[in-house]
Amino acid sequence: EPEVTQTPSHQVTQMGQEVILRCVPISNHLYFYWYRQILGQKVEFLVSFYNNEISEKSEIFDDQFSVERPDGSNFTLKIRSTKLEDSAMYFCASSDYGRSYEQYFGPGTRLTVT
Amino acid sequence: QKEVEQDPGPLSVPEGAIVSLNCTYSNSAFQYFMWYRQYSRKGPELLMYTYSSGNKEDGRFTAQVDKSSKYISLFIRDSQPSDSATYLCAMSPSSGTYKYIFGTGTRLKVLA
Repeated sequence: EPEVTQTPSHQVTQMGQEVILRCVPISNHLYFYWYRQILGQKVEFLVSFYNNEISEKSEIFDDQFSVERPDGSNFTLKIRSTKLEDSAMYFCASSDYGRSYEQYFGPGTRLTVT
Repeated sequence: QKEVEQDPGPLSVPEGAIVSLNCTYSNSAFQYFMWYRQYSRKGPELLMYTYSSGNKEDGRFTAQVDKSSKYISLFIRDSQPSDSATYLCAMSPSSGTYKYIFGTGTRLKVLA
C-alpha cells in the first residue's frame, strides 16, 4: 500500500540553525501539506501546496518557514533560523486531486531545538 | 469557544466493549469530518471520513455526524487491545480551504 515517508525520523539542532525536513508524498497525489504537533498539543496546520505554489498557510507559517518541491518526488519544509518553540513533531501529508478530505500522513519528523 | 473540542480522556474499556468517541465543534461551515487513529509517536492514520450529516460504517467502525447539534461520533464495536491509541477528529469546510482543524484527541485504552 502506498504511503507517505519522511526523513529524518529525528533531527536535533541548535537554536538559530537551519533545518530541512524531507517528505516523499504518495506518488499520484497532487496536494501536499505540512502540519506540526507540539508535545501534548493538537495537530496544527502549517501549509498546503499545489501546482508548485503555496495554496494556503496558517499564521504559524511565517517568513522563517518555506516549502519546496525540488523534484518530482520530494517535498521539503525549511526552517531558516530555528527557535526553541519550533521543537515539535512535523507531519507531511498528501491527498489526491479533489480529495482534500482524504489526507494521508507520514510518520513524522521529531525536531528538537536545543 | 474552541473551534473543535474533544475530551482528552484517557478512556479505559474492557476488551469487547463498544467505544464511543465524540467531538463538538462551533463552525457551521464544516462539511467534512474525519477520524484519525494515532499510535504513540506515530503519524495520524486515516480511519474514516464523512461528508455532511449521516452515518458511515466500515467494519467495526461507525462514524456519525449530527450537524444540527454540531456533534460527531466514532463508535468502535468489539474493541480490541490493538485499538488502544489516541483518536483524533478533524474537520474542514467543503471548499475554499484544504486545511484540517483537529481536536486534541482522546486517548483510548482497551484492557485485555
